[in-house]
Amino acid sequence: KQEVTQIPAALSVPEGENLVLNCSFTDSAIYNLQWFRQDPGKGLTSLLLIQSSQREQTSGRLNASLDKSSGRSTLYIAASQPGDSATYLCAVRTNYGGATNKLIFGTGTLLAVQP
Amino acid sequence: DAGITQSPRHKVTETGTPVTLRCHQTENHRYMYWYRQDPGHGLRLIHYSYGVKDTDKGEVSDGYSVSRSKTEDFLLTLESATSSQTSVYFCAISPLAASTGELFFGEGSRLTVL
Repeated sequence: KQEVTQIPAALSVPEGENLVLNCSFTDSAIYNLQWFRQDPGKGLTSLLLIQSSQREQTSGRLNASLDKSSGRSTLYIAASQPGDSATYLCAVRTNYGGATNKLIFGTGTLLAVQP
Repeated sequence: DAGITQSPRHKVTETGTPVTLRCHQTENHRYMYWYRQDPGHGLRLIHYSYGVKDTDKGEVSDGYSVSRSKTEDFLLTLESATSSQTSVYFCAISPLAASTGELFFGEGSRLTVL
């Protein structure tokens, strides 16, 4: 059974710092991995999608990497800003139970960027 | 932003009453999903649809049913609501094949069952 873990559960950094969020998964047979951010009381906003054949994806100050063999993904945020404060979730798509339609989520990392 | 509208956004109901949540999309995407989000459990898939009248169960489907009679609408029904179904419900859509598609989420529907 695929399990997705995000450590740490919470992180507080001063503004301007570069930071890395971690996502681990137990089954390396994934189709893709997606990073989201969620603001309080809001839905999830897609940040980056990495297909299983890719090693990384970049969007602005965000860079996500994927290492399937070790079951790990990292989300790198450069020059953090208070507006980056949110919960960050990763999710993997696995052929779980014979269906490819299931996205398995981690429980998230709550990021606070202090001005 | 993907055109996804959930209604109602907030609902308080009593145990034993039926509840229907609606997800409406304007993107003409094939795949639609219902998730629930609870503290300590993260997001869990309830049901999903891969086309009109084509649906399947997720990991926490007991007590829920769904229907999709049109591409744009995906309904989640709680036939007889229980307190354990108090949660935030999210609809998501995906345009491409399930194995490659990016998911886009709605704003959520907060349901409280007293």
